[in-house]
Amino acid sequence: QSALTQPASVSGSPGQSITISCTGTSSDVGGYNYVSWYQQHPGKVPKVMIYDVSNRPSGVSNRFSGSKSGNTASLTISGLQPEDEADYYCSSYTSGSTLFGTGTKVTVL
Amino acid sequence: EVQLLESGGGLVQPGGSLRLSCAASGFTLWSYAMSWVRQAPEKGLEWVSGISGSSDSTYYADSVKGRFTISRDISKNTLFLQMNNLRAEDSGIYHCAKVSSGWYGSAIDCWGQGTLVTVSS
Repeated sequence: QSALTQPASVSGSPGQSITISCTGTSSDVGGYNYVSWYQQHPGKVPKVMIYDVSNRPSGVSNRFSGSKSGNTASLTISGLQPEDEADYYCSSYTSGSTLFGTGTKVTVL
Repeated sequence: EVQLLESGGGLVQPGGSLRLSCAASGFTLWSYAMSWVRQAPEKGLEWVSGISGSSDSTYYADSVKGRFTISRDISKNTLFLQMNNLRAEDSGIYHCAKVSSGWYGSAIDCWGQGTLVTVSS
């Protein structure tokens, strides 16, 4: 059970779009459509931004979108805003457990 | 309003035990799967254990299998995590988490603030 692989950091200027990748295997990300993305601000608990690969919970901005291709899932933030600066984690179901990604720090320049 | 309130954390020596509790309100434990997720200081999230909604099916990360036990008391709407043979690498904040459906593989839609566990001599 290894953590899913994410880039350590991604940055962008306000208004730009950024994409965070989440790479797993055919036993987790590639095998099921149960990938979620969580946003965590410093000192706060995580908040779900995307579930089941590409679904957005009520109240989450439509600037956040998710997708998947093979063993890699992606979170795209369009129209980057200062409040988007946070840590982001992907998560995937795998038989008998759940895996989180290594986490990505998003910096708004 | 859905709320999760953890308790039971503290300082324990290696090899020791702790029992974490999570008092849930605003929903019924029987209807939803629940998970425990931990986060070491300045580190990432790590799923620890889960329990399905309307069944007693339980699931564990390899790192805690055989040492930790997840359970619940439906009458008290409380989730537990019994942690035995604790190691230094088990240290961190333990969050109780509500899953969005009765199946533990669904997304987590509510997190408790967490309780700090420190394993040190």
